[in-house]
Amino acid sequence: DVKVTQSSRYLVKRTGEKVFLECVQDMDHENMFWYRQDPGLGLRLIYFSYDVKMKEKGDIPEGYSVSREKKERFSLILESASTNQTSMYLCASSLNLAGTGELFFGEGSRLTVL
Amino acid sequence: QQQVKQSPQSLIVQKGGISIINCAYENTAFDYFPWYQQFPGKGPALLIAIRPDVSEKKEGRFTISFNKSAKQFSLHIMDSQPGDSATYFCAAGSSGTYKYIFGTGTRLKVLA
Repeated sequence: DVKVTQSSRYLVKRTGEKVFLECVQDMDHENMFWYRQDPGLGLRLIYFSYDVKMKEKGDIPEGYSVSREKKERFSLILESASTNQTSMYLCASSLNLAGTGELFFGEGSRLTVL
Repeated sequence: QQQVKQSPQSLIVQKGGISIINCAYENTAFDYFPWYQQFPGKGPALLIAIRPDVSEKKEGRFTISFNKSAKQFSLHIMDSQPGDSATYFCAAGSSGTYKYIFGTGTRLKVLA
């Protein structure tokens, strides 16, 4: 089974802190994604990566950056956390393009920024 | 044009009833329409998916109906069970891109 592991399930940070969210997948998938989930807004794409060191902005990249130094690992970075970044963050991976395959999600990282 | 509009936002159904969730899209380049199911505290997981060359796909109690001309698709859950209580997301993807576009989600509660 594909496994996408988000190392931190719950985090509480203060405004202005730097936050790292880590994600690891074990199925050699090319593509990895970071989504943000908020009630009534669904899943919104922050960034995605289709290869090591390659990244593309999604729909809401402001205030975030990403890093993909190894194929299996994709990190989301909040350089200076703000209260409006309090949310559930979901990492996902896929083998193929969006029209041809399944997205596999981690269990999420719930971030609270005070 | 990149949006996928999902309704209703929440749904309460009696055990044994039929749950129906609807989605509409604009972009005709979409060629893959999955539904994801998310239980509390878990990430979304693929439930069922359809491509626009068929009008219906059934897997057990779950059926996707697809209307290409209307650019709409829906999820039907027959004989709904309390264990089906979850949030459901429709999505759309295109073979030419990496991105999936998700609906805003429907929180389903099935009463015992």
